[in-house]
Amino acid sequence: NAGVTQTPKFQVLKTGQSMTLQCAQDMNHNSMYWYRQDPGMGLRLIYYSASEGTTDKGEVPNGYNVSRLNKREFSLRLESAAPSQTSVYFCASSESLPGTLPQPQHFGDGTRLSIL
Amino acid sequence: GEDVEQSLFLSVREGDSSVINCTYTDSSSTYLYWYKQEPGAGLQLLTYIFSNMDMKQDQRLTVLLNKKDKHLSLRIADTQTGDSAIYFCAESIKVDDYKLSFGAGTTVTVRA
Repeated sequence: NAGVTQTPKFQVLKTGQSMTLQCAQDMNHNSMYWYRQDPGMGLRLIYYSASEGTTDKGEVPNGYNVSRLNKREFSLRLESAAPSQTSVYFCASSESLPGTLPQPQHFGDGTRLSIL
Repeated sequence: GEDVEQSLFLSVREGDSSVINCTYTDSSSTYLYWYKQEPGAGLQLLTYIFSNMDMKQDQRLTVLLNKKDKHLSLRIADTQTGDSAIYFCAESIKVDDYKLSFGAGTTVTVRA
């Protein structure tokens, strides 16, 4: 029972490099989310996808792009990494549907990304 | 998130009760959540409460909601060393808004 799986778990990049963080969920959830976690700031939403084929900006979208590849997968791309993007990135999913009460979000174990 | 505030640290003796407090600002919150994060791991949903409820109890966990004061608390009875973690309070706002707003997290340390 995998739940939400994120890859890779750790990554070190040089400034200016690009990379894609992968996320997959096996719970048939409609909604998926990307957050970043920084010390003393809790989690901040980068992008989310309310359903397959839709994506929307969250609180801190600058420097990131996302792709909702299918219902299971939601990837986060850094086109030109910057030291300010050093963080722990979490993917989450939920059963939430438009017009219904929000459902709890389930989180992956995170990707720890360092940019030098 | 700026809309949800928590104290940053709590130290508690093993066997005592822990109380973690949270305040939120949006009066239209629908659900309020408590998540637990152990070192090096993701966030684990502990419990949640709908905004028309005052209290929810689940084994050692008791959630109290004071909607008038916009105050949420999590009480952990008989605190164990395995309860040492960061606890996040989060609110969801409006029925069709999928976004959660998180507090900065309270680091709970359980001492013998």
